[in-house]
Amino acid sequence: SQWGEENLQALSIQEGEDVTMNCSYKTYTTVVHWYRQDSGRGPALIILIRSNEREKRSGRLRATLDTSSQSSSLSITAAQCEDTAVYFCATASSNMGYKLTFGTGTSLLVDP
Amino acid sequence: DPKIIQKPKYLVAVTGSEKILICEQYLGHNAMYWYRQSAKKPLEFMFSYSYQKLMDNQTASSRFQPQSSKKNHLDLQITALKPDDSATYFCASSQAGNYAEQFFGPGTRLTVL
Repeated sequence: SQWGEENLQALSIQEGEDVTMNCSYKTYTTVVHWYRQDSGRGPALIILIRSNEREKRSGRLRATLDTSSQSSSLSITAAQCEDTAVYFCATASSNMGYKLTFGTGTSLLVDP
Repeated sequence: DPKIIQKPKYLVAVTGSEKILICEQYLGHNAMYWYRQSAKKPLEFMFSYSYQKLMDNQTASSRFQPQSSKKNHLDLQITALKPDDSATYFCASSQAGNYAEQFFGPGTRLTVL
């Protein structure tokens, strides 16, 4: 899982497998963003889940959110090589602006 | 066409010099941000602007100064550069308001020698 002072996590799977990445956060939030970052590019939002949703799906992606344990997960079903990227969770706070606090990230490698 | 432009893509500077990182967004957003990503730390929030006004500043050093000359511009001036400033700097934008999706630019990779 990712957060805090942890080093970047790394996962390696075979194409077609399912994978789940976990995220624990420290500060209260009602929204968790999941971003993916491809090598040499900026992060791109892939799914956003709010506290009243608990689970959200987008294609092969599924995000969950448990505000009581302050944790979220991102699952990818039947991973493909193009899913290879670094995945970050981020929480939002709106104190004097809209700041995203990113986790340390999970580096996912999908082998053919 | 790229919606968020950051210039330059790569930048090499000497210690003690000053550089300006350029960011322009063509998404019609009213809020813009700067984040920093280095090998040692996760993506870190630096500044947020809304309607060209500074909303939040999380950088400890006054050497980092955002400059908003136009609604869709938010440049970052860095003075007295240090090797520890070496990182990739990302500009982002969103609609103003809480919990809006932030769109990130491709980044400027800064190396300070």
